[in-house]
Amino acid sequence: NAGVMQNPRHLVRRRGQEARLRCSPMKGHSHVYWYRQLPEEGLKFMVYLQKENIIDESGMPKERFSAEFPKEGPSILRIQQVVRGDSAAYFCASSPSAGGIYEQYFGPGTRLTVT
Amino acid sequence: GQNIDQPTEMTATEGAIVQINCTYQTSGFNGLFWYQQHAGEAPTFLSYNVLDGLEEKGRFSSFLSRSKGYSYLLLKELQMKDSASYLCAYSPTSGTYKYIFGTGTRLKVLA
Repeated sequence: NAGVMQNPRHLVRRRGQEARLRCSPMKGHSHVYWYRQLPEEGLKFMVYLQKENIIDESGMPKERFSAEFPKEGPSILRIQQVVRGDSAAYFCASSPSAGGIYEQYFGPGTRLTVT
Repeated sequence: GQNIDQPTEMTATEGAIVQINCTYQTSGFNGLFWYQQHAGEAPTFLSYNVLDGLEEKGRFSSFLSRSKGYSYLLLKELQMKDSASYLCAYSPTSGTYKYIFGTGTRLKVLA
């Protein structure tokens, strides 16, 4: 059973470009969470999605950031017009259901560098 | 509000015992999670406490006191490979069941 997959693992973008980060949850998991992590800091919640629905996007900046989890295919975190401050590691995690009682399975992360 | 506090860094010696504390403020949650994260890697699940008390799992144990808003992770017989960050987390019952993570405690194990 494959774990959570993220790609690309490393992404370099120039200021003003778009970054698209992909996450495929574990098989059978329909709940996906995106987190951002700066070096030597904790995980900051960004957005929580179920298939075709955004459940909670309270941690995601309202401008330039968007997320989706379509019926078919991976979840995508999209950052438009990237700035240097967007440089970070972005992790996604999945769980089999909601309710806050399930451990989360994390992907290897995408390291975004904005030059 | 919702908040989690952990010490930023701790240092311990190989073979010793270390306790990593986590205090939180929330109106309600189902349980308290602990994750381990090695540098440059993804977090991995360590433990989950629902009821007050100690949960033991090999060299790692986790404790929860809901009345005191307090949890700790106890690591025994420390090994060099235990050098990592340790994050506590919970999912508030009010709201959408997103997860709130602490800033993590960086543990350095010295020979």
